[in-house]
Amino acid sequence: DGGITQSPKYLFRKEGQNVTLSCEQNLNHDAMYWYRQDPGQGLRLIYYSQIVNDFQKGDIAEGYSVSREKKESFPLTVTSAQKNPTAFYLCASSPPGLEYNEQFFGPGTRLTVL
Amino acid sequence: AQSVSQHNHHVILSEAASLELGCNYSYGGTVNLFWYVQYPGQHLQLLLKYFSGDPLVKGIKGFEAEFIKSKFSFNLRKPSVQWSDTAEYFCAVMNTGFQKLVFGTGTRLLVSP
Repeated sequence: DGGITQSPKYLFRKEGQNVTLSCEQNLNHDAMYWYRQDPGQGLRLIYYSQIVNDFQKGDIAEGYSVSREKKESFPLTVTSAQKNPTAFYLCASSPPGLEYNEQFFGPGTRLTVL
Repeated sequence: AQSVSQHNHHVILSEAASLELGCNYSYGGTVNLFWYVQYPGQHLQLLLKYFSGDPLVKGIKGFEAEFIKSKFSFNLRKPSVQWSDTAEYFCAVMNTGFQKLVFGTGTRLLVSP
């Protein structure tokens, strides 16, 4: 089955620890995205990558880092510099071409920092 | 910068009632418009989209939306809601040529049986 997988579904970490969230897709999409979802705030873009070995900051990149070494993988690291990391994190991907601007979303990872 | 406004944060309806969720955006150029839905415990999924052509677009599960360029609006409608429509609905806008979606804050719909 083609799709986007995110792991783990739930993640608990102590304050001050870095944590990496996994996102894998087998849709052969070029572009991948990370969003943060908070109640009442919708989805906000953290980072995006339109091609392997290239990525750009989104609207709320501070305290986060990413890598894009493989087309199918776009891990997100939440660092200790992120002031309020507890949130629901969504990964998405989209196919190439301007006519295919739809983004496909993974199931999300709920991160709780204790 | 682009922004998207969803006027209703929470909506409660009885089954068979009609639904209209408002969405307005700020960008003045050519845009692509989307409605996504997040059912409880499920992935965010596309409900419908507008790229060009007929401004009245139909999506899955009986939903439709109308793009009114002069009002910068893309309101979502359904003539008769069902209990299974209980979900959170997000409007999103992308200016053409750039694959960055801007989302509204979402509307939580609760349909009582």
